Amino acid sequence: EAGVAQSPRYKIIEKRQSVAFWCNPISGHATLYWYQQILGQGPKLLIQFQNNGVVDDSQLPKDRFSAERLKGVDSTLKIQPAKLEDSAVYLCASSSDWSTDTQYFGPGTRLTVL
Amino acid sequence: AQSVAQPEDQVNVAEGNPLTVKCTYSVSGNPYLFWYVQYPNRGLQFLLKYITGDNLVKGSYGFEAEFNKSQTSFHLKKPSALVSDSALYFCAVRDKGRSGNTGKLIFGQGTTLQVKP
Repeated sequence: EAGVAQSPRYKIIEKRQSVAFWCNPISGHATLYWYQQILGQGPKLLIQFQNNGVVDDSQLPKDRFSAERLKGVDSTLKIQPAKLEDSAVYLCASSSDWSTDTQYFGPGTRLTVL
Repeated sequence: AQSVAQPEDQVNVAEGNPLTVKCTYSVSGNPYLFWYVQYPNRGLQFLLKYITGDNLVKGSYGFEAEFNKSQTSFHLKKPSALVSDSALYFCAVRDKGRSGNTGKLIFGQGTTLQVKP
């Protein structure tokens, strides 16, 4: 069974530029999560989707971050414009359901904002 | 608010010795607890979880964890450490909203495990 796929693996941009990350969850998983992991910290949830609907985006900085999961499968997370403090690893995870099931993580995208 | 704490930034053990990575939690009601491991430049890999039932949970790669409700702890253990176990370990708890679990995982700060030959 294929795992969670993410691309790109690494991205370097200048501040105020825009960037997008892509995630393809494990086949059949209805729930998709985006986490932000700043160096030296544990991951923090940015947004949770159930199929193509948003369940929780309370921690998403909506003035600059946006995410979509239009067909309930793959997802895109965008930052526009980027700030220096957005430098982090962006992790995508998926689970078959949100209640008790395990979340499986992709390899992450390491973003560096200069 | 739900939270987890990993009191040690780093744990050092010799290969072949038992290891323990500590985690304590603060939640309302019954907790759903998880351990993940992260190798350099890799995502998080699931090790084990406690939902209900037996307090001793066995997971991947010979790891196990003991749920202790009275001490609100969920320590990760392994009887005999390997050099290849050296990595960053995260404890996490499933968040509980007003209507129950929300799905969101709340992570500790992480503990670096260093196993020396």
